Amino acid sequence: EAGVTQFPSHSVIEKGQTVTLRCDPISGHDNLYWYRRVMGKEIKFLLHFVKESKQDESGMPNNRFLAERTGGTYSTLKVQPAELEDSGVYFCASSQGLFGALNTGELFFGEGSRLTVL
Amino acid sequence: DAKTTQPTSMDCAEGRAANLPCNHSTISGNEYVYWYRQIHSQGPQYIIHGLKNNETNEMASLIITEDRKSSTLILPHATLRDTAVYYCIVRVPRGNNDMRFGAGTRLTVKP
Repeated sequence: EAGVTQFPSHSVIEKGQTVTLRCDPISGHDNLYWYRRVMGKEIKFLLHFVKESKQDESGMPNNRFLAERTGGTYSTLKVQPAELEDSGVYFCASSQGLFGALNTGELFFGEGSRLTVL
Repeated sequence: DAKTTQPTSMDCAEGRAANLPCNHSTISGNEYVYWYRQIHSQGPQYIIHGLKNNETNEMASLIITEDRKSSTLILPHATLRDTAVYYCIVRVPRGNNDMRFGAGTRLTVKP
């Protein structure tokens, strides 16, 4: 079974440009999360989808960030326009729904998308 | 979710047991203790979790005190590849409950 996959693994853009990160969760996982780790800082929660709906977007830094999950499958995180402080590694995670016999509440993380804004 | 307190960093000799402590004095009755780690810049990796009984899997053991206010993650025979930041997180294990990370403990395994 494929794990959480993220694309691209690394993106280098200039300040003011737009970047779109993609996350494909584990098949069947209703919950999808975005996190970010800026250099030297802690991993920070950005937002949480339940299927196609935003359950919690309290961690989104500002309105330059837009996350979507149309159809409740893969998700995209767009940064427009990118700023220098947006550089970091963006992680996506997924988990099973609320109820499930084997639901341990575990989050499965992807390998991250490294964003460098010059 | 309850807050946790971990030491900032620890060292361990290769081949020895690494014991990583975590304090969670405000843990609620329905909250579990989870441990994740992040090796370099890879995605966080699940290690183990438990409620009140000690747990063991192929990666580690988790010892939770009787009052559940603290726990210890044990890597029985640490290797250089275990060098990572280890996160102790307490949360209710609902599938739709997100995970909030703190600063974690940076474990360095030395030859």
